[in-house]
Amino acid sequence: AQRVTQPEKLLSVFKGAPVELKCNYSYSGSPELFWYVQYSRQRLQLLLRHISRESIKGFTADLNKGETSFHLKKPFAQEEDSAMYYCALDNYGQNFVFGPGTRLSVLP
Amino acid sequence: EAGVAQSPRYKIIEKRQSVAFWCNPISGHATLYWYQQILGQGPKLLIQFQNNGVVDDSQLPKDRFSAERLKGVDSTLKIQPAKLEDSAVYLCASSFNRGSYNEQFFGPGTRLTVL
Repeated sequence: AQRVTQPEKLLSVFKGAPVELKCNYSYSGSPELFWYVQYSRQRLQLLLRHISRESIKGFTADLNKGETSFHLKKPFAQEEDSAMYYCALDNYGQNFVFGPGTRLSVLP
Repeated sequence: EAGVAQSPRYKIIEKRQSVAFWCNPISGHATLYWYQQILGQGPKLLIQFQNNGVVDDSQLPKDRFSAERLKGVDSTLKIQPAKLEDSAVYLCASSFNRGSYNEQFFGPGTRLTVL
């Protein structure tokens, strides 16, 4: 069965420091992976998706099929990046699976 | 454009009672999702509709949960009877179509507390 794991429940970094949010998955096919974010008092929203190869708000994520990982990275964290981050996997348009989430706290 | 609407925003019921949630997706979106998010966990897909047909309901506890999407627009999710472990936020999302190119847009959620 498809599964997404995020080993850190909480990650705290100082402003300006690099940040990496870890995501690992188990899936037998070719997955499509996403990062969703929920800022305080806002709705869950898409941050970026592997299929688009994009960088959003300075964040990037690289799919490593050998390590079955899709870690989210940003070289210089900002206070406004503080939020809940969810890694998710799409099984060909059905059975979307979310990870448990990592709360990122960027300290001043 | 208007976002995904959900009502009610909050609901408190006693166990064994029934409850229903309503979702109005973004106009023109063919795919609609219902998720259950228990405190401290990620959202779990309960059911996915494509227009008014069910694509996936493998994780829907069908002995107590039901959902419908009449006319392929609005949707309702019902729990009957509720159990304590059903306490969660119920999220509705919609996307233009199925597949990874289609972004899911989420509603604000309905927070259900079962006493």
